[in-house]
Amino acid sequence: QQPVQSPQAVILREGEDAVINCSSSKALYSVHWYRQKHGEAPVFLMILLKGGEQKGHEKISASFNEKKQQSSLYLTASQLSYSGTYFCGTDPDRDDKIIFGKGTRLHILP
Amino acid sequence: DAGITQSPRHKVTETGTPVTLRCHQTENHRYMYWYRQDPGHGLRLIHYSYGVKDTDKGEVSDGYSVSRSKTEDFLLTLESATSSQTSVYFCAISEGGVGWTQYFGPGTRLLVL
Repeated sequence: QQPVQSPQAVILREGEDAVINCSSSKALYSVHWYRQKHGEAPVFLMILLKGGEQKGHEKISASFNEKKQQSSLYLTASQLSYSGTYFCGTDPDRDDKIIFGKGTRLHILP
Repeated sequence: DAGITQSPRHKVTETGTPVTLRCHQTENHRYMYWYRQDPGHGLRLIHYSYGVKDTDKGEVSDGYSVSRSKTEDFLLTLESATSSQTSVYFCAISEGGVGWTQYFGPGTRLLVL
């Protein structure tokens, strides 16, 4: 049931764009995105709901393809502060439990 | 920041000893969760609670038990700690419902020798 994230890691230079993908083997009703910096707790970025409603971060966007059971997180004109590990989470059984992927490590170089 | 605290923040213990981790919230949220985080595995759900005295198992519940006697407190107990339970443990809370958001506590680093 664990969603699969790709890539596992990515290195960018400041100002470049990044895309992080999340796919599920089960139907998606919601996708949650979090970012975690080293030694800190995960922090909520965004939630995408079935039907297209999106709630979350002002400088990061995401898409949600219900048919393909996929979501993608878009970070445009990346900043040094974007470095960290990004996790997607799904709630496949619609019981208010998030199952997280293994994460994507993003490193931004100056 | 959501009002979530975890105690202790760091703990070293020996194999076979019982360990209890505490999560305390001041948000009056209905749902509380315990996750463990290990390199290469991401965040894995151990147990969760959907109300006082209402709990259920997550993905990796073997060797762990939980209790919730008050809305604000969710305890995670390792009855007999093993080295494989060395990890970082995060508590999380949420209100539940459509569009719900989960907030994480600062984490507890547990080392079992």
